[in-house]
Amino acid sequence: QKEVEQNSGPLSVPEGAIASLNCTYSDRGSQSFFWYRQYSGKSPELIMSIYSNGDKEDGRFTAQLNKASQYVSLLIRDSQPSDSATYLCAVKTAGEYGNKLVFGAGTILRVKS
Amino acid sequence: SAVISQKPSRDICQRGTSLTIQCQVDSQVTMMFWYRQQPGQSLTLIATANQGSEATYESGFVIDKFPISRPNLTFSTLTVSNMSPEDSSIYLCSVDGKYEQYFGPGTRLTVT
Repeated sequence: QKEVEQNSGPLSVPEGAIASLNCTYSDRGSQSFFWYRQYSGKSPELIMSIYSNGDKEDGRFTAQLNKASQYVSLLIRDSQPSDSATYLCAVKTAGEYGNKLVFGAGTILRVKS
Repeated sequence: SAVISQKPSRDICQRGTSLTIQCQVDSQVTMMFWYRQQPGQSLTLIATANQGSEATYESGFVIDKFPISRPNLTFSTLTVSNMSPEDSSIYLCSVDGKYEQYFGPGTRLTVT
């Protein structure tokens, strides 16, 4: 069973701080990695995708990938109360019938003003 | 990006009945995916639906319980059959974009 592991949290950070969210995955063959944000009662929305080792920055968000360690992280700088949500790590992995997304359990982030 | 709509947005159903959820995409797509998100849980893939062929189901999901139709490249339905309270979940339709996967707004199902 190919797995994606996340700390469920909640992770609490003060407004303006850096939030660090972590994810590990089991399938060494995975090539595509995604971070989704999900507000309560809403569907997931894509925040970041990353395909190569290293960092990828987009505004206040930075995704980091280390394939050797099978580790993906998401940094949120200058955290805002509106960032409070569940963050889902997803890994595209080879399934029996083709590539599929496997999701972690999600990390609840709470940004306190 | 693809725009995905789902109907109904929510429903309350009695055990033993069935509900069909519709998913409409604003562009033609090869593969459509159906996910389930149980309360407090993450997303679990139910099946992948290709136009013109039988849906492929993930381990733990069977066609008799979750029959899927895919009549064309923009539309799919998922039926939740013979429902029990354990089927209370959010059901999400999803499609592949060029690099990432997009999700519909979901159908919140409560089975009493």
